[in-house]
Amino acid sequence: AQSVTQLGSHVSVSEGALVLLRCNYSSSVPPYLFWYVQYPNQGLQLLLKYTSAATLVKGINGFEAEFKKSETSFHLTKPSAHMSDAAEYFCAVRASNSGYALNFGKGTSLLVTP
Amino acid sequence: NAGVTQTPKFQVLKTGQSMTLQCAQDMNHNSMYWYRQDPGMGLRLIYYSASEGTTDKGEVPNGYNVSRLNKREFSLRLESAAPSQTSVYFCASSLRDRQHFGDGTRLSIL
Repeated sequence: AQSVTQLGSHVSVSEGALVLLRCNYSSSVPPYLFWYVQYPNQGLQLLLKYTSAATLVKGINGFEAEFKKSETSFHLTKPSAHMSDAAEYFCAVRASNSGYALNFGKGTSLLVTP
Repeated sequence: NAGVTQTPKFQVLKTGQSMTLQCAQDMNHNSMYWYRQDPGMGLRLIYYSASEGTTDKGEVPNGYNVSRLNKREFSLRLESAAPSQTSVYFCASSLRDRQHFGDGTRLSIL
């Protein structure tokens, strides 16, 4: 079964610092991978997705992620954190035999300090 | 441009009561999903509907039923609510890979 593991339930960075949120995947087939963001009391919004077209994927709000097959990783990065980036971030992989349903990681809460 | 609309936004139930959570999308998407979100657990798939007229179980279907009423609407029913079903419930829809989420229903069962 396809699954993802997010390393670190909480990450704290200073405003202007690099953001790195880690995600490792397990998949028996080439994976379709996603990063979603959730702001308080809202639903999830798609940041970016990997569908095998290119290993470096650029998303919204300055985020990007790199697919590394050798490391089974799909880490999310942003060069310079803004206060508005504080949110919950979820890595997800397309589930097998479930249409386009997703298997989500447990989430990483990003705190940005002044 | 409403997207995915969930009703109600909040609900408190007593153990044993029944309830239906409503979800509607206006994007003409074929697929719809119900997830539950619990602290430290991420989102877990309850049921999904790949197309109008079909429904399938996800990871945690026990205690729930669903109805794909038409292409727009996908409802989730709790027949006899239990405290373990206290959660935030999200409905989503998609044409293919990109899922669009509603703002959630916060459900507490006492």
